[in-house]
Amino acid sequence: NAGVTQTPKFRVLKTGQSMTLLCAQDMNHEYMYWYRQDPGMGLRLIHYSVGEGTTAKGEVPDGYNVSRLKKQNFLLGLESAAPSQTSVYFCASGIAPYEQYFGPGTRLTVT
Amino acid sequence: GDSVTQMEGPVTLSEEAFLTINCTYTATGYPSLFWYVQYPGEGLQLLLKATKADDKGSNKGFEATYRKETTSFHLEKGSVQVSDSAVYFCVPSLGGNKLVFGAGTILRVKS
Repeated sequence: NAGVTQTPKFRVLKTGQSMTLLCAQDMNHEYMYWYRQDPGMGLRLIHYSVGEGTTAKGEVPDGYNVSRLKKQNFLLGLESAAPSQTSVYFCASGIAPYEQYFGPGTRLTVT
Repeated sequence: GDSVTQMEGPVTLSEEAFLTINCTYTATGYPSLFWYVQYPGEGLQLLLKATKADDKGSNKGFEATYRKETTSFHLEKGSVQVSDSAVYFCVPSLGGNKLVFGAGTILRVKS
């Protein structure tokens, strides 16, 4: 099992560009999450999904969109990147909400 | 409202020292309690958990006991190693389909 994988690992964007981060899990988990981690601020939840075809907003959803068309994939989109979105992004999945398995992270820099 | 208070870091110890990272929570009802760990450059992983009062979670030499009377879930290890250097997160299940992570406690172990 690969567990939770994230693509890409690193990315540099210019302000205003768009991109999609892909999260994939092979554990048949219902729950999937996108977080961002910034120095001194812990992890903040962006969006999450409780099953295929569902999405919900987390703590900091503005500027991001998500889709869960297939159970194993959870996509995070940035339509018009801003420097404030420079961060490390983590995806997680779980069979239950409180036991989450995390991916290795994507380091995004917006210049 | 429901919340968690975790010991501020960084905590710096010498190898083989005893570790305690304090964690207390306020919640209506009795949440499940989790410790997650993030090693440098990696995503978070579940370290241990306890689901009811007096439960003791343990893993990799770490232990934590769910104390209902003091609403605490302190993390302990008898003899830390350099490889334990990481960020530790105390996370209660405060309801909903998600977890709320604080900033965590940085642990640095010197050889």
